[in-house]
Amino acid sequence: DGGITQSPKYLFRKEGQNVTLSCEQNLNHDAMYWYRQDPGQGLRLIYYSQIVNDFQKGDIAEGYSVSREKKESFPLTVTSAQKNPTAFYLCASSRRESTDTQYFGPGTRLTVL
Amino acid sequence: GQNIDQPTEMTATEGAIVQINCTYQTSGFNGLFWYQQHAGEAPTFLSYNVLDGLEEKGRFSSFLSRSKGYSYLLLKELQMKDSASYLCALSNYGQNFVFGPGTRLSVLP
Repeated sequence: DGGITQSPKYLFRKEGQNVTLSCEQNLNHDAMYWYRQDPGQGLRLIYYSQIVNDFQKGDIAEGYSVSREKKESFPLTVTSAQKNPTAFYLCASSRRESTDTQYFGPGTRLTVL
Repeated sequence: GQNIDQPTEMTATEGAIVQINCTYQTSGFNGLFWYQQHAGEAPTFLSYNVLDGLEEKGRFSSFLSRSKGYSYLLLKELQMKDSASYLCALSNYGQNFVFGPGTRLSVLP
């Protein structure tokens, strides 16, 4: 089946540790995105990538890093520099046409203790 | 920049019709999308508008007026499972999306 997978569903980390969230898609989509969602809030864009080996900062990129070495994969690292990392993280992908919808993975809920 | 506004919460009765509004201020965008998100889950696509007018998809319809900076999502024959958050989003020419804050809809029996 085609789709987007994110793992794990729930993740706990101690303060000061870096953590990497995985996102894989087999939809053959060129574009991939990372969003953060806080309770009762909308989605805020962290990073996006329209093609392999290229990515752009979104609205809240500070304290995060990404890589796009393969078309199918777009991992997000939450670094210790991110001041308030506890949140729900959503990965999405789409074709490059701007009228195409984004398809979302199931999300990873990160809790930093 | 792009500012998108939606009502924070709405309540409606099972079987009724509800309209969720989305207003925006932007210099330009390609299309306007509506998503449904149940608590703790990923958003799922409902509808989108590129041109002005009404797009109908079963119980859901979406309307766009670019001149008025306004869109709405219309849900008919409400069901309990429609209780969720509804997000409107603008797609930019650079292919990234900007999401509104979302409207939490509660459907009561």
